[in-house]
Amino acid sequence: NAGVMQNPRHLVRRRGQEARLRCSPMKGHSHVYWYRQLPEEGLKFMVYLQKENIIDESGMPKERFSAEFPKEGPSILRIQQVVRGDSAAYFCASSPPSGSTDTQYFGPGTRLTVL
Amino acid sequence: SQQGEEDPQALSIQEGENATMNCSYKTSINNLQWYRQNSGRGLVHLILIRSNEREKHSGRLRVTLDTSKKSSSLLITASRAADTASYFCATVNSGGSNYKLTFGKGTLLTVNP
Repeated sequence: NAGVMQNPRHLVRRRGQEARLRCSPMKGHSHVYWYRQLPEEGLKFMVYLQKENIIDESGMPKERFSAEFPKEGPSILRIQQVVRGDSAAYFCASSPPSGSTDTQYFGPGTRLTVL
Repeated sequence: SQQGEEDPQALSIQEGENATMNCSYKTSINNLQWYRQNSGRGLVHLILIRSNEREKHSGRLRVTLDTSKKSSSLLITASRAADTASYFCATVNSGGSNYKLTFGKGTLLTVNP
């Protein structure tokens, strides 16, 4: 029973490039959450998605960031025109369709470095 | 200061000793959770305590919650070198979104063999 999978685990981009982070939730889970962890900080909520729907994107920067969770395939967090301040670890979590959304299972994260 | 602040920031103990970490928060909560993060890895869920609970045990872990003081503690008994990690508390606030976990900055625990 595979857990939450994220790829790539490490991503290096130059300023101005695009970063695409992927998250495959646990089998049977239909709720996905993205969090960002800046160096020496705790995780900060970014966005909550269900299949084909963005439920809450209040934690996501208004510009350059977007997220989707299509009917088929993984959830994608996209950062356009990356800047150095985007360097962080990005974690995805998932929870099952029924039951509590406050019990979330986290993936290993993608560490983004912007040069 | 932010919701979910852990104290101390860093803790170093010997194997076999107990480790206590504290977490304070500001708003009313539905529940409080503790996570462990090994260096460079993802988060592992340790334990969840609801606002109407005062104490919970899981193996060598003991969590307390004092809603009047808006604080929680995590006790790890008979620590092992493998317990070396960062420990985060996360709250789910009441009256709001029950999916939005609010994390503190964590306590870095080092258990020396």
